[in-house]
Amino acid sequence: KQEVTQIPAALSVPEGENLVLNCSFTDSAIYNLQWFRQDPGKGLTSLLLIQSSQREQTSGRLNASLDKSSGRSTLYIAASQPGDSATYLCAVRPTSGSRLTFGEGTQLTVNP
Amino acid sequence: DARVTQTPRHKVTEMGQEVTMRCQPILGHNTVFWYRQTMMQGLELLAYFRNRAPLDDSGMPKDRFSAEMPDATLATLKIQPSEPRDSAVYFCASGLSFVRRVDQPQHFGDGTRLSIL
Repeated sequence: KQEVTQIPAALSVPEGENLVLNCSFTDSAIYNLQWFRQDPGKGLTSLLLIQSSQREQTSGRLNASLDKSSGRSTLYIAASQPGDSATYLCAVRPTSGSRLTFGEGTQLTVNP
Repeated sequence: DARVTQTPRHKVTEMGQEVTMRCQPILGHNTVFWYRQTMMQGLELLAYFRNRAPLDDSGMPKDRFSAEMPDATLATLKIQPSEPRDSAVYFCASGLSFVRRVDQPQHFGDGTRLSIL
């Protein structure tokens, strides 16, 4: 059974800092990995989707990397802003089926 | 922007009552997912459909939960009878998924906050 772990569970940083969120998964037979953002009282917003054949994806100040063999992904946020405050979740899709397994999330607070 | 729409946004009802949650997926998406989020369990997949056919509902307590897609514009999740442990936020998501092509990201609705008293 796939297990996804996110470290740290919570992170508080001053505005402008670069930061890294970590995601690890136990079964490397994945089809893709997604990073989502969830704001309080809202649904999830997909930030980046990395196919299993890819090593990284970039969107603006966000960069996500994937090391499938070691079961790890990182989400790098450059020059953090208070508006980045949210919970960040990673999710993996297996090679068969569309069932995503989610981590428990990292709650990020960026202080002005 | 196209959005996944869920109704109702909030629902409070008494134990034993029937609850129906509705979802309008994004037009053109071929997969629809129902998730449940709680503090204790995090985000769990309950069921999903591709091209309106149920593919996996193993995450759903089948004695009380049922999920259907009467047409391409409507997905429903029903609980009968409801219990206090069903209290959670229920999310619907839709997306494009293919067997031999890359996925597109899932798009989530804002959820139905369900409280069973």
